[in-house]
Amino acid sequence: SQQGEEDPQALSIQEGENATMNCSYKTSINNLQWYRQNSGRGLVHLILIRSNEREKHSGRLRVTLDTSKKSSSLLITASRAADTASYFCATDAWGNFGNEKLTFGTGTRLTIIP
Amino acid sequence: DGGITQSPKYLFRKEGQNVTLSCEQNLNHDAMYWYRQDPGQGLRLIYYSQIVNDFQKGDIAEGYSVSREKKESFPLTVTSAQKNPTAFYLCASSMDARAWQPQHFGDGTRLSIL
Repeated sequence: SQQGEEDPQALSIQEGENATMNCSYKTSINNLQWYRQNSGRGLVHLILIRSNEREKHSGRLRVTLDTSKKSSSLLITASRAADTASYFCATDAWGNFGNEKLTFGTGTRLTIIP
Repeated sequence: DGGITQSPKYLFRKEGQNVTLSCEQNLNHDAMYWYRQDPGQGLRLIYYSQIVNDFQKGDIAEGYSVSREKKESFPLTVTSAQKNPTAFYLCASSMDARAWQPQHFGDGTRLSIL
């Protein structure tokens, strides 16, 4: 079953603006990752945030995690045309066999308008 | 350059035919994965392998088979039992099978039915 649900499903912004997308999940997690997928290509890992972290930065990316609300957000600042892609969150949690496999959300399709 | 190579990029299957998708990695990763991606949806895990000569079913293994005879290779066979095989198939690898390890993806194989 899908653990993560991204919101919005699609987002269009002007180049230079900031883009925010959200991920909600259903059960307690150990870690949450964000991936990017360009059209027709594989996914690329962007950033990982652990359940005991609240915020993490990597270049123009800022990720927050609110475990009480079971949600995460990905902020891309000063967007560029090259940021046009789909963005997925992925979660992992403890299960019967230890660290369970990664579960991906449905993605947000981001379009940057030049 | 280290990475994951999937081939072919496009594949067509006739009714009743088995087809095999290739996945090769030169990252020296222990764990490998196969995902299926349908339009507008996230990734669903088909099979994964933590180590050579071992593999486990994912969420949607019915109609698929895999082998892991070499560390570098993890081919996926879509059998005639898979009644709805049209999808984008992604192969990934990670250093080990711990779910928080970032996964590295190939550029996918798009399978269609003739």
